[in-house]
Amino acid sequence: GENVEQHPSTLSVQEGDSAVIKCTYSDSASNYFPWYKQELGKRPQLIIDIRSNVGEKKDQRIAVTLNKTAKHFSLHITETQPEDSAVYFCAASPNAGGTSYGKLTFGQGTILTVHP
Amino acid sequence: ETGVTQTPRHLVMGMTNKKSLKCEQHLGHNAMYWYKQSAKKPLELMFVYSLEERVENNSVPSRFSPECPNSSHLFLHLHTLQPEDSALYLCASSQDRQTRLPLHFGNGTRLTVT
Repeated sequence: GENVEQHPSTLSVQEGDSAVIKCTYSDSASNYFPWYKQELGKRPQLIIDIRSNVGEKKDQRIAVTLNKTAKHFSLHITETQPEDSAVYFCAASPNAGGTSYGKLTFGQGTILTVHP
Repeated sequence: ETGVTQTPRHLVMGMTNKKSLKCEQHLGHNAMYWYKQSAKKPLELMFVYSLEERVENNSVPSRFSPECPNSSHLFLHLHTLQPEDSALYLCASSQDRQTRLPLHFGNGTRLTVT
C-alpha cells in the first residue's frame, strides 16, 4: 500500500519568513495530493491540493509543488504569520481504478510555530 | 459550521462500557469515513462507506463496529475498548467520485478509555 513520509516533524520560523514542508510517497499510482491544516483542538481543514497533471499550484501565500518522477511534493508558505501556527498534514490518494471513493494516506504531520 | 457534525465532542468510558459516536453530514456527499488520530501518529483510516455500503475495513479490531444507515449518518459503536484506543476519532465525508475529493472532516470526538 501507499506510504507517505513527511518532514520535518517540527518547524519553527519567525514571522515573515517562509516555511517549507516536504512529503514523499511510495505508490506511483497516486494522483491526488492534498494538504490539511489542523489548529489545536480543531478539525483538519483542506488548505490546498494538487493533482498529478499539474506541477505547481498557488493560492495567495500558499503553494504546492509536485515532482512525480521523484515522488515528492512540498508545501510552501510565504510571509508567515502567527495564525499560520498549526499542524500540517500531507496526504496522497492512489488511483483507485474502478473504486469511486477517495482513500487518503496521511503523513505524520508537521508542527509549525510562527514566532511574532 | 463545518458541514460535518460529530457528537459527542468528548467521551470518557470504562473498558466494559458500550458507547456510540455519531457523525452527520449536510454536504450532500455519499461517502463517509472514520479516521483515528493518535498522538505522534498519522491519521489512520478505519472504515469507509460509499453509498451506504462498507467498502474498506483497515483491519480494525471488532470492538469497533461501524454503522451507516443512510448517506448522511455514520456511527461508530464501541465495546470493550482498551486504554490504547484513547484517541481523537474523526469523521469525514466526500463525493463518491475520485475526482470529487477532498475530504471534509468533522471536529472529532476525543475518546478517553479508563
